[in-house]
Amino acid sequence: EAGVAQSPRYKIIEKRQSVAFWCNPISGHATLYWYQQILGQGPKLLIQFQNNGVVDDSQLPKDRFSAERLKGVDSTLKIQPAKLEDSAVYLCASSDWGRDRKAEAFFGQGTRLTVV
Amino acid sequence: DQQVKQNSPSLSVQEGRISILNCDYTNSMFDYFLWYKKYPAEGPTFLISISSIKDKNEDGRFTVFLNKSAKHLSLHIVPSQPGDSAVYFCAASTMDSNYQLIWGAGTKLIIKP
Repeated sequence: EAGVAQSPRYKIIEKRQSVAFWCNPISGHATLYWYQQILGQGPKLLIQFQNNGVVDDSQLPKDRFSAERLKGVDSTLKIQPAKLEDSAVYLCASSDWGRDRKAEAFFGQGTRLTVV
Repeated sequence: DQQVKQNSPSLSVQEGRISILNCDYTNSMFDYFLWYKKYPAEGPTFLISISSIKDKNEDGRFTVFLNKSAKHLSLHIVPSQPGDSAVYFCAASTMDSNYQLIWGAGTKLIIKP
């Protein structure tokens, strides 16, 4: 079974530039998550999709962050414009939560973003 | 407000001995708890979970204990192996939050040969 794919692995941008991350979840997984992990902290949920609908985006800074999941499969997370404090690892995860409400989430390798 | 706390940033254990990683939580509504393991430059991987209706769950060398009255859970690894060196995250969720996971800050486990 193929895992969660994310790209790019690394990205360095200047502040005020824009950036986009891509995620392809495990086939058949209805739930997709985007997390932000700052060094030394646990992952913080940015947005959770169930199929192509948003379940929770309460911690997404909507003035600069946006995410979409077209056709309930792949997802993109965009930051525009980026700030220095956005430097973090952005993790995508998926789970079969729709079928098994206690299913664990499977994570991609993450994208390390550095804003300079 | 940190609902899930891992108070030890790091832990060093001799190979072959028991590793005990601790996690405390404040929200009594949490009903499902998970442990994830993370190697550098990789995403977290699921290790073991426990429902609030249980007080113990075992999977091979890994055992998770839940003490609801103390709002405390622990992960025991016996015996510890060099490959267990990683960062371990505790996470918790509630049924009415669509099983959104609330994460601790992680504990870095170092297994000494």
